[in-house]
Amino acid sequence: NAGVTQTPKFQVLKTGQSMTLQCAQDMNHEYMSWYRQDPGMGLRLIHYSVGAGITDQGEVPNGYNVSRSTTEDFPLRLLSAAPSQTSVYFCASGLGENIQYFGAGTRLSVL
Amino acid sequence: KQEVTQIPAALSVPEGENLVLNCSFTDSAIYNLQWFRQDPGKGLTSLLLIQSSQREQTSGRLNASLDKSSGRSTLYIAASQPGDSATYLCAVNGNAGNMLTFGGGTRLMVKP
Repeated sequence: NAGVTQTPKFQVLKTGQSMTLQCAQDMNHEYMSWYRQDPGMGLRLIHYSVGAGITDQGEVPNGYNVSRSTTEDFPLRLLSAAPSQTSVYFCASGLGENIQYFGAGTRLSVL
Repeated sequence: KQEVTQIPAALSVPEGENLVLNCSFTDSAIYNLQWFRQDPGKGLTSLLLIQSSQREQTSGRLNASLDKSSGRSTLYIAASQPGDSATYLCAVNGNAGNMLTFGGGTRLMVKP
């Protein structure tokens, strides 16, 4: 049982490049979400999903896209990376209003 | 908009002390409140989850309380150990979408 797996662990991008942060969970959780963590700002919700085929925006969705084609996977896409997107990104999953499990994070730098 | 505040932002104590971390939130309409631990450069580990109908939860040396009407939660750590050194985060789940609003965290250092 791997829990929540995020790849890659580290990434450096140039401004304007695109990339996808991967998130997979093997616990059959219906809820999945993406957060970013910045110094002085705490963790903020980017996008979330309550099930396959259903996604919605969180607090800071601009510049990011998501899709949920399967229960297991919830990728986060940066369409045109900007330096303001330099951050640590965490994916989380949960079942109903229960404990949320977080991945180990992806550290992204945009130059 | 829900706002979550944690006080203090940092805390340094000698080993063996009992300590209390505080969390306050502005909107009492919550589903649950969760305390997490985060070690440097790592992800978040859930410590305790309190449903809105509960008053407290206990796990080992940890006890979390919830006073929904006053918008407050406390995390009590008994007999602190150097291994407890980490950042502790409080998060409120305000709706059925399991969207968490986090506090800024308390960075705890327990000195041997």
